Amino acid sequence: EVQLMESGGGLVQPGGSLRLSCTDSEFSFSSYWMHWVRQAPGKGLVWVSRINSDGSSTDYADSVKGRFTISRDNAKNTLYLQMNSLRAEDTALYYCVRPRLGWSFFDYWGQGTLVTVSS
Amino acid sequence: DIVMTQSPESLAVSLGERATINCKSSQNVLYNSNNKNYLAWYQQKPGQPPKLLIYWASTRESGVPDRFSGSGSGTDFTLTISGLQAEDVAVYYCQQFFSTPYSFGQGTKLEMK
Repeated sequence: EVQLMESGGGLVQPGGSLRLSCTDSEFSFSSYWMHWVRQAPGKGLVWVSRINSDGSSTDYADSVKGRFTISRDNAKNTLYLQMNSLRAEDTALYYCVRPRLGWSFFDYWGQGTLVTVSS
Repeated sequence: DIVMTQSPESLAVSLGERATINCKSSQNVLYNSNNKNYLAWYQQKPGQPPKLLIYWASTRESGVPDRFSGSGSGTDFTLTISGLQAEDVAVYYCQQFFSTPYSFGQGTKLEMK
């Protein structure tokens, strides 16, 4: 069964940086576009970013554009989210998400890693 | 950007009764070339990640009980749970995957009456 495991969350001061990682247990990781979705405490789901299968194309939500960078290392089956200039409103549980092959609805989710931005 | 609006925000239904959740998109999510609505539904229980229930607006994910059904087209969609079970208590989200930024509805909290 597919297992997505996020790491790298924690407490960071406003203006700080953090890098999230997500490892995929499946050897077919390199075939899939990958996404990050976040959820602030007690709030709804917000799509953050996506990257295509070879890492050559990315998209971002306006709220994170210019501050966050999504990337991947297919040799390590790992997805990343570099988060810079963090703000209090970035506080959320960040999910690594794998969509159905070829589409953008999400059938595999990690358990999430919590990012807290606070002084 | 496509805005997804769900109604109601919360809903209390008795065991065995029907629950209906609505989702409206600010733009059409029906792709004419393949006649598919780029709309999915998810269920999220406390402390868990979301679970995919329905995609293409009406295709049930494998393993999802047939009491869950999706309908609608274009901009108006419905998730129906026929015969509510205790384990269906959760928050439900719709999502459009027609265009980026992909967007979710704000969620509908389903409780037992």
